Amino acid sequence: DTEVTQTPKHLVMGMTNKKSLKCEQHMGHRAMYWYKQKAKKPPELMFVYSYEKLSINESVPSRFSPECPNSSLLNLHLHALQPEDSALYLCASSPSGQGGSNQPQHFGDGTRLSIL
Amino acid sequence: AQSVSQHNHHVILSEAASLELGCNYSYGGTVNLFWYVQYPGQHLQLLLKYFSGDPLVKGIKGFEAEFIKSKFSFNLRKPSVQWSDTAEYFCAVNANGFQKLVFGTGTRLLVSP
Repeated sequence: DTEVTQTPKHLVMGMTNKKSLKCEQHMGHRAMYWYKQKAKKPPELMFVYSYEKLSINESVPSRFSPECPNSSLLNLHLHALQPEDSALYLCASSPSGQGGSNQPQHFGDGTRLSIL
Repeated sequence: AQSVSQHNHHVILSEAASLELGCNYSYGGTVNLFWYVQYPGQHLQLLLKYFSGDPLVKGIKGFEAEFIKSKFSFNLRKPSVQWSDTAEYFCAVNANGFQKLVFGTGTRLLVSP
């Protein structure tokens, strides 16, 4: 079992809905990540938080809004998504922030999101 | 920009066959290298990593990888595969000091019993 917990596991939403994806880790990690993975493609980085501050935004559309309420939690708020946003959304964490690039990331099981 | 290439998209082997999956990256500076595995229906798991030192690194489940700096390669090997090794394998790279992890396109391995 992974030590990074993501909820929900599956989410179906309409294009006008607002929903949130949640991610939690209790390993004391200080860096947390959101990735998007389309079918048969590799994960692509969306956002990185280091010490609860947004450090990387990979030019993600504003309909995706990340939030890091504390060092253990990471949310991804979704609003007005498009069908092409349907994908597996992965959360990951690693021990430290910037400068800790040689520390492996621990991944959650992901949330499979379908936009109708 | 950094990129990672995995040349084998699909590999089919019989049990006990030897495995080598290719990974090449394009980046001129110091890099950190990883191999992750994703078993069917499961999360990405770290197989092994290279940061510095001995270029031959050993990971879990009998996997190893060799970093060849002159070839910008980090190939994954296993002497004898098992049916349970059926999974998707991703090579990943980040530049030293940067958190952005770039994944290769993945290799789907099917091991027939």
